[in-house]
Parts: sequence; structure tokens; C-alpha cells
Amino acid sequence: AQSVTQPDIHITVSEGASLELRCNYSYGATPYLFWYVQSPGQGLQLLLKYFSGDTLVQGIKGFEAEFKRSQSSFNLRKPSVHWSDAAEYFCAAPGGTASKLTFGTGTRLQVTL
Amino acid sequence: GAGVSQSPSNKVTEKGKDVELRCDPISGHTALYWYRQSLGQGLEFLIYFQGNSAPDKSGLPSDRFSAERTGGSVSTLTIQRTQQEDSAVYLCASSFGPPETQYFGPGTRLLVL
Repeated sequence: AQSVTQPDIHITVSEGASLELRCNYSYGATPYLFWYVQSPGQGLQLLLKYFSGDTLVQGIKGFEAEFKRSQSSFNLRKPSVHWSDAAEYFCAAPGGTASKLTFGTGTRLQVTL
Repeated sequence: GAGVSQSPSNKVTEKGKDVELRCDPISGHTALYWYRQSLGQGLEFLIYFQGNSAPDKSGLPSDRFSAERTGGSVSTLTIQRTQQEDSAVYLCASSFGPPETQYFGPGTRLLVL
């Protein structure tokens, strides 16, 4: 079955430091991949998505992600984290059928000042 | 433009009562999804509507859960005879159809006492 793994449950970084959140997927074909962010008490907001083409994808709020087929990964990066980036981040991919998304368990990001 | 809206934002109910959760998708979106987010289970797919096709109900956890979508727009998720394990945040999303990006509402936080 298709699955999405986010190995890091909780990450703490200092404001201004770089960030990388890991995501690994298990999927037979080339997947569609998404990163969403959820602030406390809020719904999910799309950061970026990969459908095909260029493997380096730019998103909102200065985030980017790189699709690496050989590593089955779609890691999220940001060169300089801001305190407002503190939130929970979810990686997602189609869950067997394109009609639904399978989400990773999420990574909670804490930013220290 | 308006995003996905959900009501109520919070719902407290007693065990055994029925509840109805409402979702208004983005205008023009043909696909509508319900997900559940709980501490123990993460984000789980519940049900998917696409146009006039039969819904994909494969994620509904029991026959106490049902959903309908009237006129291809508004959807209602109904939970009958609520149980404490139904306590969760229920998220609705809409899109132009898979694999297009799903846009999420703010969720309804359900607490069953």
C-alpha cells in the first residue's frame, strides 16, 4: 500500500537557521507530492506541490522541496527560518487512488528566538 | 475569493447523540473530501465526492458515519450515536478533481463527552 513517512516528529531550530524536513514515500508510479502546513487551530495550507517536470519545486513563504526518485524522498527546505514558521508540517501523496491523499504523521516545528 | 468554509467550528455533544457537520466548498470545485484528524490516528481520509459519480466511502470507519452532497456543492457529514472515540477535528477539502490540489477548510472540532 502507498505510504508516506515523516521520520521526525518534532524539530527545533533557531530563528535564521536553515531547515530541512524529511519525507519519504512508497508509491509505484511517479507520485504527486504535496507539503501542507497547519498552524494551531487552523486547517491545512498548501505550501507546494510536485506533479512532474523540474524536481526542485518552489512554494510559498520561501519554502522549496526537491523530489528525488532514487531516494523516494521529497524533503522540504527553507534557508532561513522565521519565528512565524512554527507550525506542523505534513507531507502527502495519493493514497492508492488519486481521489484521496495519504498524509505523513507530521513534523512539529518549533522556532527558538 | 472565498475558501472552503465549515460549520460549526466547534461542537460538543453527549455520547449517543447525532451530529451534523457542514462543508461549503470553493465555488466551481467538483471534488469534495472529508478527512478526520485525531491524536492517535493522524489525518485519515473518510469520503470523496466527484460530480455526479457515486462517492468513494472507503474511509468511513463505521456505518454510523454517512455523508451527502446536495446539488454538487454543500456537503454534510453525519455521525449517528456518537462515541467518545469520534472526538477529532473533521476537515473538509475541495478541488477541481484529482489529482488537482485539495484546499482545506478550517475544520470542525468535535468533542464527545
